[in-house]
Amino acid sequence: AQRVTQPEKLLSVFKGAPVELKCNYSYSGSPELFWYVQYSRQRLQLLLRHISRESIKGFTADLNKGETSFHLKKPFAQEEDSAMYYCALVIPDKLIFGTGTRLQVFP
Amino acid sequence: DVKVTQSSRYLVKRTGEKVFLECVQDMDHENMFWYRQDPGLGLRLIYFSYDVKMKEKGDIPEGYSVSREKKERFSLILESASTNQTSMYLCASSSRRDHSFGSGTRLTVV
Repeated sequence: AQRVTQPEKLLSVFKGAPVELKCNYSYSGSPELFWYVQYSRQRLQLLLRHISRESIKGFTADLNKGETSFHLKKPFAQEEDSAMYYCALVIPDKLIFGTGTRLQVFP
Repeated sequence: DVKVTQSSRYLVKRTGEKVFLECVQDMDHENMFWYRQDPGLGLRLIYFSYDVKMKEKGDIPEGYSVSREKKERFSLILESASTNQTSMYLCASSSRRDHSFGSGTRLTVV
């Protein structure tokens, strides 16, 4: 069955600390994954996609097919990174979302 | 930049009312989606549409229906609203794989 798991509902760190938001997936096909972010009172927006292998706002995510993971990482968290983060798996023309992780970055 | 507009930011409706949530996109996208967003449950797909007059059930279609008479507009209908449909509703559109989302409609059923 297709599934996306984000095991942490809440992750709290201090400014400047490293951040890793976990995402694991279950999919029999070739996976394509995204990270979406929702800042307070803003719409959900795409943060990054594994295909482009880009770094957005200092965040990176590497697809590990062996561990079926797509963890989101940032070496030094900033207060403005506080938001809700969703991992999403592409199945043909649809997305399956995880339950989300709320990141709180304290000053 | 794709703009997805949801007609209402907040709605309060009574139990048993028929409720219409409207969504319009301006980028000629083929695919449109309705999700509900609940704490601890993430985004769950209610219905989606690949083309005008086409609709497909998502993971939680019970109690909902949709209408897509024009390519740019996708409506979500609650035939008889119930308190367990109190939620944030998100509309999205896409032409490839990633979605562009609306600002959401927070619906409260009392």
